[in-house]
Amino acid sequence: GEEVAQTPKHLVRGEGQKAKLYCAPIKGHSYVFWYQQVLKNEFKFLISFQNENVFDETGMPKERFSAKCLPNSPCSLEIQATKLEDSAVYFCASSVLTYRGGYGYTFGSGTRLTVV
Amino acid sequence: DAKTTQPNSMESNEEEPVHLPCNHSTISGTDYIHWYRQLPSQGPEYVIHGLTSNVNNRMASLAIAEDRKSSTLILHRATLRDAAVYYCILRDVTPSYNQGGKLIFGQGTELSVKP
Repeated sequence: GEEVAQTPKHLVRGEGQKAKLYCAPIKGHSYVFWYQQVLKNEFKFLISFQNENVFDETGMPKERFSAKCLPNSPCSLEIQATKLEDSAVYFCASSVLTYRGGYGYTFGSGTRLTVV
Repeated sequence: DAKTTQPNSMESNEEEPVHLPCNHSTISGTDYIHWYRQLPSQGPEYVIHGLTSNVNNRMASLAIAEDRKSSTLILHRATLRDAAVYYCILRDVTPSYNQGGKLIFGQGTELSVKP
């Protein structure tokens, strides 16, 4: 399809629990990006993939966050031992190309994670 | 990534044109200018992009200054549905495997549209 599908839409976890978010990119898009939006107007880049390979993970908090994009499966972002500060909306985006500035990205509608 | 500067907020009346400015004085020759918008409770949505020439599509027009140090997103007739935060983002077209092609969002301009 022509949309990036993110599931679930909402996720509530107790502090210390695990959270797993999923993203199905648009078919044919080989690049996937994860962003975290904690406050309105503030996006933080987390990680990007080229197919199943990590492309850029400079934004990932390494201790508790991990991500995968495996063939024939949705991509996933997992947070072990969630903290209150992880409460945010997590967006996934996919794109045909990355380094060429002339291509747009398609974003999903996000997963709202609330840690209580 | 080069930085962009946008006004925090703007107001418009419905069915009137809106000009959203963006300053990018440190833009390099290989930076494309991208605009995205985020409607309430949704993910960012691609609006338009350009390099040097002005661009038009079904959503908007992009006017790029001759020296490329600023650009303006033009919504020709604002509707209530255009109320959103608009982000102006520079993307380097040079292949850079360390960069990974990510978008660096600034603060954006929150556009409100009055009926």
